[in-house]
Amino acid sequence: GQSLEQPSEVTAVEGAIVQINCTYQTSGFYGLSWYQQHDGGAPTFLSYNALDGLEETGRFSSFLSRSDSYGYLLLQELQMKDSASYFCAVVRDDKIIFGKGTRLHILP
Amino acid sequence: DSGVTQTPKHLITATGQRVTLRCSPRSGDLSVYWYQQSLDQGLQFLIQYYNGEERAKGNILERFSAQQFPDLHSELNLSSLELGDSALYFCASSPGLADRDTQYFGPGTRLTVL
Repeated sequence: GQSLEQPSEVTAVEGAIVQINCTYQTSGFYGLSWYQQHDGGAPTFLSYNALDGLEETGRFSSFLSRSDSYGYLLLQELQMKDSASYFCAVVRDDKIIFGKGTRLHILP
Repeated sequence: DSGVTQTPKHLITATGQRVTLRCSPRSGDLSVYWYQQSLDQGLQFLIQYYNGEERAKGNILERFSAQQFPDLHSELNLSSLELGDSALYFCASSPGLADRDTQYFGPGTRLTVL
């Protein structure tokens, strides 16, 4: 089947670093994307990994390893405004598949 | 603001009815995508249009249909509505075909079926 697995919830402390993992049971996709969604808001594109390795965009980094069927989103210097849900996504056979999302709770 | 607009913001209707959701993509974007988001199913891809033509189909029910017009705006038609169709419906756009991974989402339409 085609599925992306993410933890349903992660909790971290303001100022810390947190990693949100995404494992997948599908192949033949072009890359891995990450989206952020605040409560009541729309998903917002964060990053895209077309190749294996680490992509850095400010406080956010994303990693992909096709050989391990694994990717992650790394958030550094956590701020309260980072409290949101984070989704990984792939495109396969022209269809876009999203993980069910990870709810990130940030403690002061 | 992503530049993608959706109307209406909220819609309340009854079972068995038909509704139309509207989406205007970002200026210059040729691809439009529709998604359904419910609490138990997450974000589900419904359908994609590119420059007026259907490009990809996801988990879209036969009661649902969509189209993209020459001015590139798109409409999602939901008919014979059921309680389970209550959800957030998002539209997204991207410039072309090769960038499905980078999409810009509209604010969504919250549909409530009573």
